[in-house]
Amino acid sequence: VQLVESGGGVVQPGGSLRLSCAASGFIFDDYTMHWVRQVPGKSLEWVSLINWNGGNTYYAHSVRGRFTIARDNRKNSLFLQMNSLTTDDSALYYCARDNHSGYDRWIDYWGQGTLVTVSS
Amino acid sequence: QSVLTQAPSVSGTPGQRVTISCSGSNSNIGSNSVNWYHHLPGTAPKLLMYSSNQRPSGVTDRFSGSKSGSSATLAISGLRSEDEADYFCAAWDDSLNGVAFGGGTKVTVL
Repeated sequence: VQLVESGGGVVQPGGSLRLSCAASGFIFDDYTMHWVRQVPGKSLEWVSLINWNGGNTYYAHSVRGRFTIARDNRKNSLFLQMNSLTTDDSALYYCARDNHSGYDRWIDYWGQGTLVTVSS
Repeated sequence: QSVLTQAPSVSGTPGQRVTISCSGSNSNIGSNSVNWYHHLPGTAPKLLMYSSNQRPSGVTDRFSGSKSGSSATLAISGLRSEDEADYFCAAWDDSLNGVAFGGGTKVTVL
């Protein structure tokens, strides 16, 4: 399993950025996927998830209405469109795979992350 | 402020057993299983324990997990220098409709 994020960079407050995650080594459209972020030195914060076909999406309160998660199963890719960025959105953004068994669910694989810096 | 609460750090000597606690609420740990991750800065987090007490293939049995009520514990027995890392807990949160994470506990081997 490999998850490779890209698209991070420096953007001004109020700007937009689109993150991508290229997945390989597994049947991509069998899995729900997540975005999780971490300010360096701080704790992790769950951002969003999308189910296998994109029909269900969920967002953290802090990003709802500004971020949009999407996927392209033909290209084994996950995306995060981030609009109206603020300095609080500066973080390392991880793409991660969801797994489950019965009622239990867990993130089993993570990418290395892509760094987003919101600064004027 | 993380949804799940962990002590910032714990330390032990080689060979010792250390425990890392994770405290939550009814909407997360109280209702759902807990997962634990090992994380070194600059690397991808690695799944250490899922469904509260299940080890993925390849994870040594020196690691064990348990859950009681709205709290969970990760134990590391026979502590080794290579166990130095950040460890964080996670659980699905029914109120968030998302994943709740702990703040992470840094394990230091003295």
